[in-house]
Amino acid sequence: NAGVTQTPKFRVLKTGQSMTLLCAQDMNHEYMYWYRQDPGMGLRLIHYSVGEGTTAKGEVPDGYNVSRLKKQNFLLGLESAAPSQTSVYFCASSSLGLAGSETQYFGPGTRLLVL
Amino acid sequence: GQQVMQIPQYQHVQEGEDFTTYCNSSTTLSNIQWYKQRPGGHPVFLIQLVKSGEVKKQKRLTFQFGEAKKNSSLHITATQTTDVGTYFCAGPWSTLTFGKGTMLLVSP
Repeated sequence: NAGVTQTPKFRVLKTGQSMTLLCAQDMNHEYMYWYRQDPGMGLRLIHYSVGEGTTAKGEVPDGYNVSRLKKQNFLLGLESAAPSQTSVYFCASSSLGLAGSETQYFGPGTRLLVL
Repeated sequence: GQQVMQIPQYQHVQEGEDFTTYCNSSTTLSNIQWYKQRPGGHPVFLIQLVKSGEVKKQKRLTFQFGEAKKNSSLHITATQTTDVGTYFCAGPWSTLTFGKGTMLLVSP
């Protein structure tokens, strides 16, 4: 099993450009999450999904959109990138459990630089 | 909003010294999780504590959940360079909510 994979690993964008980050998991997990990690800020939840076809906002959703068309994939989109979105993005997944109590499995991360 | 607070933010120790990081919540937690992130890596689940006063050990790592279930600690005995990384606690709210982490640096 590959676990959680993320594509791409690294990307440089110019302000105003758009891009999509792809997350895939092969553990048949119901829940998937997108986080961003900035120095000194820990992990902040952007959006999450509790099942195929569902999405919900996290702590810092502005400027991002997501889609979960297939259970194994969770896409994060930036329609018009801004320098403030320079960060490391982590995808995670978890199986069903009590809300907030499930163990999360993280992907390797995508490093995004917006110039 | 509700969150867990971690202290210290950063600690630098000599190899062989002990290390402790603390996680505090203003509200009672049903459980708490700990994750480790190596430099340049991704967070990896270490353990989940559920019971009041629970103590769990993983080799040189000792995890404790407070009696009131409002705090937790991670203690590493005789640190090694392989312990370098950031340790996060995470508590359950509407979604799992991570503290800001404690970065541990170990000098040989």
